[in-house]
Amino acid sequence: EPEVTQTPSHQVTQMGQEVILRCVPISNHLYFYWYRQILGQKVEFLVSFYNNEISEKSEIFDDQFSVERPDGSNFTLKIRSTKLEDSAMYFCASSRDSIMNTEAFFGQGTRLTVV
Amino acid sequence: DAKTTQPPSMDCAEGRAANLPCNHSTISGNEYVYWYRQIHSQGPQYIIHGLKNNETNEMASLIITEDRKSSTLILPHATLRDTAVYYCFFTDSWGKFQFGAGTQVVVTP
Repeated sequence: EPEVTQTPSHQVTQMGQEVILRCVPISNHLYFYWYRQILGQKVEFLVSFYNNEISEKSEIFDDQFSVERPDGSNFTLKIRSTKLEDSAMYFCASSRDSIMNTEAFFGQGTRLTVV
Repeated sequence: DAKTTQPPSMDCAEGRAANLPCNHSTISGNEYVYWYRQIHSQGPQYIIHGLKNNETNEMASLIITEDRKSSTLILPHATLRDTAVYYCFFTDSWGKFQFGAGTQVVVTP
């Protein structure tokens, strides 16, 4: 069964450093998403991406965050200057069609720890 | 914030059916009801979705009331591996799921 793959599974970084979280969506999917979950809290939407541009983003997704699909297979989330409060599980997801009527497949997440 | 209401927790005996309710009274006519679950801290897993009609797949059944203000997810024969947090929501904008607190389901032997 095809799956969304995320690397690394765990990333530790110093406050103020840049991090790039990587995702390989399912190959024939066209819509891509990032979500995050702070320990013990809800899963929160960050951003959706389609046709090489951001479709929608949440208030969390400020200028410190950016997304990119550099090569047609990877989908990355960059945090420019990490803060302690960025520590969370980050989930990538993809869907074949617009999420209004289709399932999204989530990866197993990257646990980001900012120290 | 999430616009659905779910009980915070539910226990279910292994082998029995688990019926998980969800209220979504503000849903509009073209919005689908989705159910996902999250086992421990893994990525959310799709279960089922529907618009008006009841739906069934290999994992579960979804019963949507005629007025669409509520739905019930049915796990027909719960197993220990079904212990998870179950989320009900509907898409109110393109590309964004609003996960709430969900229902913590514990399946006991």
